[in-house]
Formats: sequence, C-alpha cells, structure tokens
Amino acid sequence: GQNIDQPTEMTATEGAIVQINCTYQTSGFNGLFWYQQHAGEAPTFLSYNVLDGLEEKGRFSSFLSRSKGYSYLLLKELQMKDSASYLCAVRVIGGATNKLIFGTGTLLAVQP
Amino acid sequence: GAVVSQHPSRVICKSGTSVKIECRSLDFQATTMFWYRQFPKQSLMLMATSNEGSKATYEQGVEKDKFLINHASLTLSTLTVTSAHPEDSSFYICSARDGNGWQYFGPGTRLTVL
Repeated sequence: GQNIDQPTEMTATEGAIVQINCTYQTSGFNGLFWYQQHAGEAPTFLSYNVLDGLEEKGRFSSFLSRSKGYSYLLLKELQMKDSASYLCAVRVIGGATNKLIFGTGTLLAVQP
Repeated sequence: GAVVSQHPSRVICKSGTSVKIECRSLDFQATTMFWYRQFPKQSLMLMATSNEGSKATYEQGVEKDKFLINHASLTLSTLTVTSAHPEDSSFYICSARDGNGWQYFGPGTRLTVL
C-alpha cells in the first residue's frame, strides 16, 4: 500500500523558520509535491522534487531523499498568512497512469 | 496558468437524492482528471481517475455504482453522487492533468446532505 506521513499540527512564530517533514513508502515513485491549503479552498502548488536535493523558491524550499523516503518543506521569514495546511503528495505510477497520493497534511499555526 | 473550474461550489440536498458535480479545464485539454474527497481536518483522498472516452478507475473502497463518473470530452468530467446520505457530506475536489503531466486543482464543491 501507499503510506505518506506528516506531523498533524505545528506551531511557529512570525518571522521564524519552520520545517515540515514528510516520510513516504510508496510503489512506483515519480516525484513529490508540496501544496498549501487554506480551509475550504483547493490546494495550491508550492514545490516539486523528483531528484534528490534541495529546491529553493523564494521563502519556500523543499528537500528530497529518495533512498530514505523523506522530504521536508522549509518556510522562512514566516508570515501570519502562512497559517494553513501543508500537504505532501507523492506521484505514483498506478496502472495505466500516474496519480497523486496525498499525505495526512500538517496544520501550521503562525503566532505573533 | 491553467484554470480548472467546478460547479456548483456549494450544494445542499436531501438524503436519497442524486447530485452532479462538474469539473472543467478552461484553457487546456485534459485526457485525465482526478476526483478527490476531503473530510474536515483530513487530507485529500483520491476517489477515482477519470479517463476521457473510457471507464473511470476507482480506488479501493470507493463504490463505483454510488459515485458515477463520466468524462465525455477533453475538458469536462462529471461526478454524480447517487442516493446521497449524510455521510457523503464532504468537500469534493477535482484536478485535471495537462499534456506535460501537471495537475491543476479545481476550487472544490462543498456537499451537504441533510
């Protein structure tokens, strides 16, 4: 089966740095995505990793280690608007097509 | 960027009735669309993969006779929740995949079954 785990909740302070971890055990790995989701809205794309290493994109960075089945999302200079759920998703090869399987999600609360 | 729309955004229906949700890719063609369901404070759960011109592929545990999927064109997929019950109340989100393999999400449909 597919298993993607994240911490359920995290709290951080405005202006600080926070790291959200994701571990996965899937078959047919074909890339890892991070999404941000505010309550009642659709997920919005943040980052994509398919090779090992760090991808940086402004205040957001994402790291992948395929051998360890591990990724993290790093958010710098936290702002109040960063309070949201962060979803780790693995693209797996499933039958005739790829599909995106989501992790449990991490609810991040940014405090003043 | 690519845009995916869903209609309706919210629907309230009585138990036992059927509800149809539309998912459209507005500026690209999507041979493959996906339907997800999200319960409160939980993550997105993939329900089925919708393929244009062929039958949908359902994930384990999802009843294909209850959740009817039709992907009649390259820009439209529909999900019909048949004989809806209160436990079907959820946030339904579709996504459409473009020719480069990127998935774009719709804004979601909030279904409430009374």
